[in-house]
Amino acid sequence: DTGVSQNPRHKITKRGQNVTFRCDPISEHNRLYWYRQTLGQGPEFLTYFQNEAQLEKSRLLSDRFSAERPKGSFSTLEIQRTEQGDSAMYLCASSPGTGREKLFFGSGTQLSVL
Amino acid sequence: AQRVTQPEKLLSVFKGAPVELKCNYSYSGSPELFWYVQYSRQRLQLLLRHISRESIKGFTADLNKGETSFHLKKPFAQEEDSAMYYCALRGLQGGKLIFGQGTELSVKP
Repeated sequence: DTGVSQNPRHKITKRGQNVTFRCDPISEHNRLYWYRQTLGQGPEFLTYFQNEAQLEKSRLLSDRFSAERPKGSFSTLEIQRTEQGDSAMYLCASSPGTGREKLFFGSGTQLSVL
Repeated sequence: AQRVTQPEKLLSVFKGAPVELKCNYSYSGSPELFWYVQYSRQRLQLLLRHISRESIKGFTADLNKGETSFHLKKPFAQEEDSAMYYCALRGLQGGKLIFGQGTELSVKP
Protein backbone atom coordinates (compact mmCIF):
# COMPACT_ATOMS: atom_id res chain seq x y z
CA ASP A 1 0.00 0.00 0.00
CA THR A 2 1.63 3.25 -1.10
CA GLY A 3 -0.88 5.51 0.60
CA VAL A 4 -0.53 7.52 3.81
CA SER A 5 0.24 5.17 6.69
CA GLN A 6 -0.62 5.85 10.34
CA ASN A 7 0.40 3.88 13.39
CA PRO A 8 -0.96 2.68 15.66
CA ARG A 9 -4.52 2.21 14.40
CA HIS A 10 -5.88 2.24 17.93
CA LYS A 11 -4.46 3.52 21.20
CA ILE A 12 -6.00 3.19 24.64
CA THR A 13 -4.34 5.09 27.45
CA LYS A 14 -5.03 6.30 30.93
CA ARG A 15 -5.57 9.95 31.72
CA GLY A 16 -2.27 11.68 32.40
CA GLN A 17 -0.16 9.43 30.21
CA ASN A 18 1.77 10.61 27.17
CA VAL A 19 1.04 9.18 23.72
CA THR A 20 2.79 9.45 20.37
CA PHE A 21 1.40 8.76 16.93
CA ARG A 22 3.30 8.30 13.70
CA CYS A 23 2.40 9.26 10.15
CA ASP A 24 4.27 8.16 7.02
CA PRO A 25 3.15 10.29 4.07
CA ILE A 26 3.17 9.27 0.44
CA SER A 27 6.75 9.28 -0.80
CA GLU A 28 7.96 12.70 -1.98
CA HIS A 29 4.91 14.52 -0.69
CA ASN A 30 6.17 17.81 0.72
CA ARG A 31 3.12 18.78 2.72
CA LEU A 32 1.90 16.88 5.77
CA TYR A 33 -1.19 17.74 7.79
CA TRP A 34 -2.62 16.63 11.12
CA TYR A 35 -6.33 16.76 11.86
CA ARG A 36 -8.48 15.64 14.77
CA GLN A 37 -12.02 14.31 14.35
CA THR A 38 -14.57 13.64 17.05
CA LEU A 39 -17.86 11.82 16.61
CA GLY A 40 -20.33 13.75 14.53
CA GLN A 41 -17.85 16.44 13.55
CA GLY A 42 -15.72 17.16 10.54
CA PRO A 43 -11.92 17.01 10.66
CA GLU A 44 -10.46 19.85 12.74
CA PHE A 45 -7.13 21.28 11.62
CA LEU A 46 -4.24 20.89 14.05
CA THR A 47 -1.02 21.69 12.20
CA TYR A 48 0.85 21.27 8.94
CA PHE A 49 4.39 20.99 7.62
CA GLN A 50 6.14 21.93 4.40
CA ASN A 51 9.03 19.48 4.40
CA GLU A 52 10.47 19.77 7.93
CA ALA A 53 9.14 23.26 8.62
CA GLN A 54 5.98 23.57 10.70
CA LEU A 55 4.11 26.32 8.88
CA GLU A 56 0.97 26.65 10.94
CA LYS A 57 -0.44 25.43 14.21
CA SER A 58 -4.05 25.84 15.27
CA ARG A 59 -4.56 28.47 17.96
CA LEU A 60 -7.04 26.10 19.54
CA LEU A 61 -4.31 23.55 20.07
CA SER A 62 -3.18 23.08 23.64
CA ASP A 63 0.54 23.29 24.38
CA ARG A 64 0.27 19.66 25.47
CA PHE A 65 0.28 18.84 21.74
CA SER A 66 3.48 18.85 19.75
CA ALA A 67 4.30 17.66 16.27
CA GLU A 68 7.56 17.08 14.48
CA ARG A 69 8.76 16.15 11.03
CA PRO A 70 12.50 16.03 11.58
CA LYS A 71 13.72 14.94 8.15
CA GLY A 72 10.81 16.04 6.08
CA SER A 73 9.54 12.50 5.75
CA PHE A 74 7.51 10.89 8.54
CA SER A 75 5.88 12.92 11.29
CA THR A 76 5.02 12.30 14.92
CA LEU A 77 2.26 13.85 17.00
CA GLU A 78 2.72 13.72 20.77
CA ILE A 79 0.08 14.46 23.37
CA GLN A 80 1.38 14.97 26.90
CA ARG A 81 -0.70 14.46 30.05
CA THR A 82 -3.67 13.16 28.11
CA GLU A 83 -7.19 14.15 29.11
CA GLN A 84 -10.48 12.45 28.37
CA GLY A 85 -11.30 15.28 25.98
CA ASP A 86 -8.38 14.22 23.81
CA SER A 87 -10.25 11.07 22.82
CA ALA A 88 -10.71 11.33 19.07
CA MET A 89 -9.60 10.06 15.68
CA TYR A 90 -6.31 11.67 14.67
CA LEU A 91 -5.94 11.92 10.91
CA CYS A 92 -2.83 12.55 8.88
CA ALA A 93 -2.85 13.72 5.27
CA SER A 94 -0.20 14.58 2.72
CA SER A 95 -0.01 16.40 -0.58
CA PRO A 96 2.69 17.02 -3.15
CA GLY A 97 4.19 20.34 -4.17
CA THR A 98 3.04 23.62 -2.74
CA GLY A 99 -0.15 22.48 -1.09
CA ARG A 100 -2.66 23.47 -3.75
CA GLU A 101 -3.17 19.84 -4.68
CA LYS A 102 -5.68 17.51 -3.12
CA LEU A 103 -5.00 15.89 0.23
CA PHE A 104 -4.45 12.15 0.59
CA PHE A 105 -5.64 10.92 3.97
CA GLY A 106 -4.51 8.07 6.14
CA SER A 107 -6.85 5.73 7.99
CA GLY A 108 -6.26 7.54 11.26
CA THR A 109 -5.32 6.65 14.83
CA GLN A 110 -8.25 6.23 17.22
CA LEU A 111 -7.29 7.46 20.68
CA SER A 112 -9.31 6.52 23.75
CA VAL A 113 -8.36 8.15 27.05
CA LEU A 114 -9.80 6.35 30.07
CA ALA B 1 -13.74 34.12 10.32
CA GLN B 2 -13.24 31.12 8.11
CA ARG B 3 -16.10 28.71 8.47
CA VAL B 4 -17.91 25.99 6.57
CA THR B 5 -21.47 25.12 7.49
CA GLN B 6 -23.34 21.99 6.47
CA PRO B 7 -26.83 22.40 7.93
CA GLU B 8 -27.95 18.80 7.53
CA LYS B 9 -26.40 16.04 9.63
CA LEU B 10 -28.39 13.36 7.81
CA LEU B 11 -30.03 13.27 4.42
CA SER B 12 -32.07 10.22 3.53
CA VAL B 13 -33.43 9.67 0.02
CA PHE B 14 -34.68 6.80 -2.11
CA LYS B 15 -32.71 5.40 -5.01
CA GLY B 16 -33.31 7.42 -8.17
CA ALA B 17 -34.31 10.57 -6.31
CA PRO B 18 -32.40 13.85 -6.71
CA VAL B 19 -29.92 14.78 -4.04
CA GLU B 20 -28.67 18.16 -2.84
CA LEU B 21 -26.22 18.43 0.02
CA LYS B 22 -25.95 22.00 1.24
CA CYS B 23 -22.75 23.85 2.03
CA ASN B 24 -22.35 27.50 3.00
CA TYR B 25 -19.09 29.20 3.79
CA SER B 26 -17.61 32.30 5.32
CA TYR B 27 -14.22 33.46 4.10
CA SER B 28 -12.51 36.82 3.70
CA GLY B 29 -11.03 36.54 0.26
CA SER B 30 -11.33 34.12 -2.61
CA PRO B 31 -11.54 30.55 -1.40
CA GLU B 32 -11.20 27.27 -3.17
CA LEU B 33 -14.05 24.89 -2.38
CA PHE B 34 -14.03 21.10 -2.21
CA TRP B 35 -16.23 18.13 -1.47
CA TYR B 36 -14.58 15.18 0.25
CA VAL B 37 -16.32 11.84 0.76
CA GLN B 38 -15.82 8.96 3.16
CA TYR B 39 -17.42 5.64 2.26
CA SER B 40 -17.90 3.03 4.95
CA ARG B 41 -14.58 1.62 6.17
CA GLN B 42 -12.62 3.74 3.68
CA ARG B 43 -10.40 6.79 3.93
CA LEU B 44 -11.51 10.32 3.41
CA GLN B 45 -10.98 11.18 -0.27
CA LEU B 46 -11.54 14.05 -2.65
CA LEU B 47 -14.77 13.92 -4.62
CA LEU B 48 -14.53 17.19 -6.53
CA ARG B 49 -13.21 20.75 -6.42
CA HIS B 50 -14.84 23.85 -7.81
CA ILE B 51 -11.94 24.96 -10.00
CA SER B 52 -12.09 21.71 -11.95
CA ARG B 53 -15.73 22.25 -12.87
CA GLU B 54 -16.11 18.54 -13.50
CA SER B 55 -18.71 15.91 -12.72
CA ILE B 56 -17.52 12.98 -10.62
CA LYS B 57 -19.76 9.93 -10.19
CA GLY B 58 -22.63 12.06 -11.44
CA PHE B 59 -22.12 14.73 -8.77
CA THR B 60 -21.69 18.41 -9.57
CA ALA B 61 -21.23 21.50 -7.44
CA ASP B 62 -21.35 25.14 -8.44
CA LEU B 63 -19.70 27.89 -6.46
CA ASN B 64 -22.17 30.72 -5.83
CA LYS B 65 -20.15 33.63 -4.51
CA GLY B 66 -23.21 35.80 -4.01
CA GLU B 67 -24.84 33.28 -1.70
CA THR B 68 -21.47 31.93 -0.46
CA SER B 69 -22.64 28.42 -1.18
CA PHE B 70 -21.22 25.30 -2.80
CA HIS B 71 -24.05 22.79 -2.81
CA LEU B 72 -23.44 19.25 -4.06
CA LYS B 73 -26.02 17.83 -6.43
CA LYS B 74 -26.84 14.60 -8.19
CA PRO B 75 -29.96 14.10 -10.29
CA PHE B 76 -30.45 10.39 -9.55
CA ALA B 77 -29.03 8.96 -6.32
CA GLN B 78 -27.62 5.44 -6.21
CA GLU B 79 -27.27 3.15 -3.20
CA GLU B 80 -23.48 3.26 -3.55
CA ASP B 81 -23.61 7.02 -2.95
CA SER B 82 -24.35 6.37 0.72
CA ALA B 83 -21.46 7.92 2.64
CA MET B 84 -20.33 10.88 4.74
CA TYR B 85 -19.82 14.02 2.70
CA TYR B 86 -17.67 16.92 3.88
CA CYS B 87 -17.51 20.36 2.34
CA ALA B 88 -14.16 22.10 2.76
CA LEU B 89 -12.40 25.32 1.80
CA ARG B 90 -8.96 26.84 1.69
CA GLY B 91 -7.40 30.00 0.38
CA LEU B 92 -6.28 30.17 -3.24
CA GLN B 93 -2.69 30.39 -2.06
CA GLY B 94 -2.96 26.90 -0.59
CA GLY B 95 -2.51 25.76 2.99
CA LYS B 96 -4.87 24.17 5.45
CA LEU B 97 -8.29 22.84 4.58
CA ILE B 98 -11.21 23.86 6.77
CA PHE B 99 -13.97 21.28 6.92
CA GLY B 100 -17.66 21.45 7.64
CA GLN B 101 -19.38 19.14 10.10
CA GLY B 102 -20.35 16.65 7.45
CA THR B 103 -23.62 15.28 6.06
CA GLU B 104 -24.43 11.61 6.09
CA LEU B 105 -26.20 10.62 2.90
CA SER B 106 -28.30 7.48 3.07
CA VAL B 107 -29.76 6.18 -0.18
CA LYS B 108 -32.45 3.59 0.38
CA PRO B 109 -33.47 0.95 -2.18
